[in-house]
Amino acid sequence: GQNIDQPTEMTATEGAIVQINCTYQTSGFNGLFWYQQHAGEAPTFLSYNVLDGLEEKGRFSSFLSRSKGYSYLLLKELQMKDSASYLCAVRDQDYQLIWGAGTKLIIKP
Amino acid sequence: IAGITQAPTSQILAAGRRMTLRCTQDMRHNAMYWYRQDLGLGLRLIHYSNTAGTTGKGEVPDGYSVSRANTDDFPLTLASAVPSQTSVYFCANSVDGTDTQYFGPGTRLTVL
Repeated sequence: GQNIDQPTEMTATEGAIVQINCTYQTSGFNGLFWYQQHAGEAPTFLSYNVLDGLEEKGRFSSFLSRSKGYSYLLLKELQMKDSASYLCAVRDQDYQLIWGAGTKLIIKP
Repeated sequence: IAGITQAPTSQILAAGRRMTLRCTQDMRHNAMYWYRQDLGLGLRLIHYSNTAGTTGKGEVPDGYSVSRANTDDFPLTLASAVPSQTSVYFCANSVDGTDTQYFGPGTRLTVL
């Protein structure tokens, strides 16, 4: 079966750095997405990786290793507004998105 | 620009009733999707449409139907609601079936 694993919850301090991991086993691979979802709101797109390596976008970076079935989202200079759930999703061989359950990130002052 | 709108925002429904969740886009994207989101689970695809006039089944299609008469509208119908269909429903779109997906604000549905 297809599976996306990410930690259920993480806690970090304002101003610090946090890394949210995602491992996947899917039927084929056509890219990996990270979305941010604030409580009670819709998911919003953060990043996309299809090749191995690091993609940097401001305070957020996303890394992919296809051989290891592994990705991480790195958030720097954490702000209180970064408190949200972070969703990892992999596009499989049929171009369907397979979603992880999300990681709830709690930022403490 | 509204992007994707969904209606209603929330609804409480008696079991056995028929319900249609509306989704409208002003982005003219070809592909549209319906997901449900339940606590502790990832988003699960119910139905999708890669272009107007075509639809396909996702991971959890049973009890749901969709239509895509034009590019902008993609309604989701529950023919006879059951309590297990209590969930938050998100409509999404993408330029085509291979592009990034963008989400509407969601509909919170409770079936009693």
